[in-house]
Amino acid sequence: SYVLTQPPSVSVAPGKTAVFSCGGDIISKTYVHWYQQKPGQAPILVVYDDSRRPSGIPERFSGSNSGNTATLTITSVEAGDEADYYCQVWDFSSDHRIFGGGSKLTVL
Amino acid sequence: QVQLVESGGGVVQPGRSLRLSCAASGFTFSQYGINWVRQAPGKGLEWVALISHDGSNKYYANSVKGRFTISRDNSRNTLFVQMDSLRPEDTAVYYCARNSLGGAAFDIWGQGTLVSVSS
Repeated sequence: SYVLTQPPSVSVAPGKTAVFSCGGDIISKTYVHWYQQKPGQAPILVVYDDSRRPSGIPERFSGSNSGNTATLTITSVEAGDEADYYCQVWDFSSDHRIFGGGSKLTVL
Repeated sequence: QVQLVESGGGVVQPGRSLRLSCAASGFTFSQYGINWVRQAPGKGLEWVALISHDGSNKYYANSVKGRFTISRDNSRNTLFVQMDSLRPEDTAVYYCARNSLGGAAFDIWGQGTLVSVSS
């Protein structure tokens, strides 16, 4: 089945910018959604349809999609942003939903 | 408020069955597709199944197809998954997650229920 590739970890100092990538052949043909999951908690949606933010999500979170790679960017990173971040798409050929393997954000 | 609450998890022996429920509140349940997503201990998220708003269409991950059955009761605002022939690799926290209206994002998640398959 289809695979989305994410780097296992991203590290950044407080106040800097964190960038997460999500790669795959299908990326350019579909919308990408991003989730934040803190330890012991359920995931929450932080970006949908490549670049849209749900209500309540800070403007520091943004997304883009170009070529075969989608990107989640968090500016002015805070300690509270430490979490796992997952990308997700709809594989329209199978009607399956696909998650990337996740990237763990460490705030140094 | 908009909420999904899972129940029914527990410890079960390999080869046995278990049925999970997900109770919805705070929104018009019958308008939304709903998913099951699971997360094995220390692992990432895995999509399991999706049912359309009216129950007419169902989709399954290859790993559970033929063993799991998703269903819903719109009169009771409740989603179900019947899990048969359980395997140790089915051990996970199971979340229900609402499909965004007109899209494919999961915009509301429950808190999850733990299923442990072990002899």
